[in-house]
Amino acid sequence: KQEVTQIPAALSVPEGENLVLNCSFTDSAIYNLQWFRQDPGKGLTSLLLIQSSQREQTSGRLNASLDKSSGRSTLYIAASQPGDSATYLCAGPQGGSEKLVFGKGTKLTVNP
Amino acid sequence: DAGITQSPRYKITETGRQVTLMCHQTWSHSYMFWYRQDLGHGLRLIYYSAAADITDKGEVPDGYVVSRSKTENFPLTLESATRSQTSVYFCASTPGGSYEQYFGPGTRLTVT
Repeated sequence: KQEVTQIPAALSVPEGENLVLNCSFTDSAIYNLQWFRQDPGKGLTSLLLIQSSQREQTSGRLNASLDKSSGRSTLYIAASQPGDSATYLCAGPQGGSEKLVFGKGTKLTVNP
Repeated sequence: DAGITQSPRYKITETGRQVTLMCHQTWSHSYMFWYRQDLGHGLRLIYYSAAADITDKGEVPDGYVVSRSKTENFPLTLESATRSQTSVYFCASTPGGSYEQYFGPGTRLTVT
């Protein structure tokens, strides 16, 4: 059974800092992993989807990596801004299905 | 409007009443999902559907009923609401085949 863990639960950084959010999963047969952003009181916005055949995926200041052998994914945010403050969630599929298992998220605060 | 919508956005109901939450997507995605989000538990899958007339249970299905007579709609019914069903409910969809899941804005349900 897939289990997804995100550490730390909360992170506070000064504006401009580069940072890494971590996500670990137990099923190494994972075929993709998705990163989401959630603002308070809002829905989830998809940021990046990494396929198992890829090692990295980039969108603007965001870069996500996937290492199946170690059961880890990271989300790198470059030159953080106060507008990046949100909760970031990662999710991986349950077995070979379309069902996603979510981590509990990392709440990021970027201080001006 | 294109995308995935949920209604109502906010709902207060009493214990024992039947409540239906609506989800509508305009992309003709095959897969649709219902999640609930609670502090301490994160996002948990309630039910999902792979196509019209095909539904299956997720992690926390007790007390909920779903149907999917049309591809674009996936209503979630609480047959007899309980206080433990107070939560934020999210609907999501995906075409499947390693594509992203897209989330609706959520319904905040309070059972008194």
